[in-house]
Amino acid sequence: GESVGLHLPTLSVQEGDNSIINCAYSNSASDYFIWYKQESGKGPQFIIDIRSNMDKRQGQRVTVLLNKTVKHLSLQIAATQPGDSAVYFCAENSNTGKLIFGQGTTLQVKP
Amino acid sequence: GAGVSQTPSNKVTEKGKYVELRCDPISGHTALYWYRQSLGQGPEFLIYFQGTGAADDSGLPNDRFFAVRPEGSVSTLKIQRTERGDSAVYLCASSPTGSGTGELFFGEGSRLTVL
Repeated sequence: GESVGLHLPTLSVQEGDNSIINCAYSNSASDYFIWYKQESGKGPQFIIDIRSNMDKRQGQRVTVLLNKTVKHLSLQIAATQPGDSAVYFCAENSNTGKLIFGQGTTLQVKP
Repeated sequence: GAGVSQTPSNKVTEKGKYVELRCDPISGHTALYWYRQSLGQGPEFLIYFQGTGAADDSGLPNDRFFAVRPEGSVSTLKIQRTERGDSAVYLCASSPTGSGTGELFFGEGSRLTVL
């Protein structure tokens, strides 16, 4: 069956450093992926997405990399700030429109 | 305009009771989704509406759970004979098209506690 998972439950980084959050997926037919950020007590917030015909996409301070050969997805956050502290989820969007989420990685930013 | 609105934000009920959770999507969004999130877990898909009809209800755990969207806008998630295991945050999201790609806009969720 399909599954989307994250490698590490918690990532702790120093303010100003770059962060890399990883995600592995199992369905080789997956063709669309999204990263969401969730702060405590709030709903997930869209960060960036990528289609399977791309291997890299950049946003403001964020970059998503996709390696279809090893079914791996990563989110890079440049110059991590305290406001980046949250739980990050990768999600796969199936053909029906539903998102399949992983369990999340908690990012802790140390001042 | 306003984002996705969910009410109530918190609901405490007793085992066996009936509960309704409401979702007001972003105006004009045709697709509406319900997810359930347990503590420390990622959101789990429940059901997805395209307009008034349920396009995919494969995530509903059993027949105690039911959702409607009669006019293609507001949706209600209904849970009968609640059990302690139903305790979770119920998230609603909407999307302009529901095409299978693109951003889902989430509400802040309704936290359900079944005693």
